[in-house]
Amino acid sequence: GAGVSQSPRYKVAKRGQDVALRCDPISGHVSLFWYQQALGQGPEFLTYFQNEAQLDKSGLPSDRFFAERPEGSVSTLKIQRTQQEDSAVYLCASSSTRENIQYFGAGTRLSVL
Amino acid sequence: QKEVEQNSGPLSVPEGAIASLNCTYSDRGSQSFFWYRQYSGKSPELIMSIYSNGDKEDGRFTAQLNKASQYVSLLIRDSQPSDSATYLCAVEETGGFKTIFGAGTRLFVKA
Repeated sequence: GAGVSQSPRYKVAKRGQDVALRCDPISGHVSLFWYQQALGQGPEFLTYFQNEAQLDKSGLPSDRFFAERPEGSVSTLKIQRTQQEDSAVYLCASSSTRENIQYFGAGTRLSVL
Repeated sequence: QKEVEQNSGPLSVPEGAIASLNCTYSDRGSQSFFWYRQYSGKSPELIMSIYSNGDKEDGRFTAQLNKASQYVSLLIRDSQPSDSATYLCAVEETGGFKTIFGAGTRLFVKA
């Protein structure tokens, strides 16, 4: 498809488990963003990549959160030792260099029990 | 902490009326402003972007920007029940890559 693809759509994790969330951006999009959206809130910025370079990771809430985009395309957000407060929808967005409009994926809903 | 503030609503308008959604932001140097629509359980989708003071119209939607007052608004003319959604105001941070979203305003358009 032509859109941003995220997987899995839903993830249930036991507290303390590690999880990995995948984002496949629109082909050719240089910029990739990760957001965390809690229920009833707007998306909250986590991190930004330009190609493979992580230029801003100021929004990552703790050192348990780690993101990578090794080949400048697919990105993975990893959360180690998940906690209940990590339960949220994790959104990925990508944009091209020609326009700063972000296109969002459907998100991964993470529930930590 | 740079902020984007929106009235959470819900804002309820009858079908055919004008819906007015407002947003204020704290980063005085911001240059790029966006309105996204988010249906329940879905991801945000861009409605409008605006970069200059004044009005920008696209179909039934008009975005208004006043940088001096640090204020952005979205007007939806001839509101339809299908416009019922949460509208997110987003502001690109000065000199960086981070986009700050407001918490959103829930809009209900009554048939």
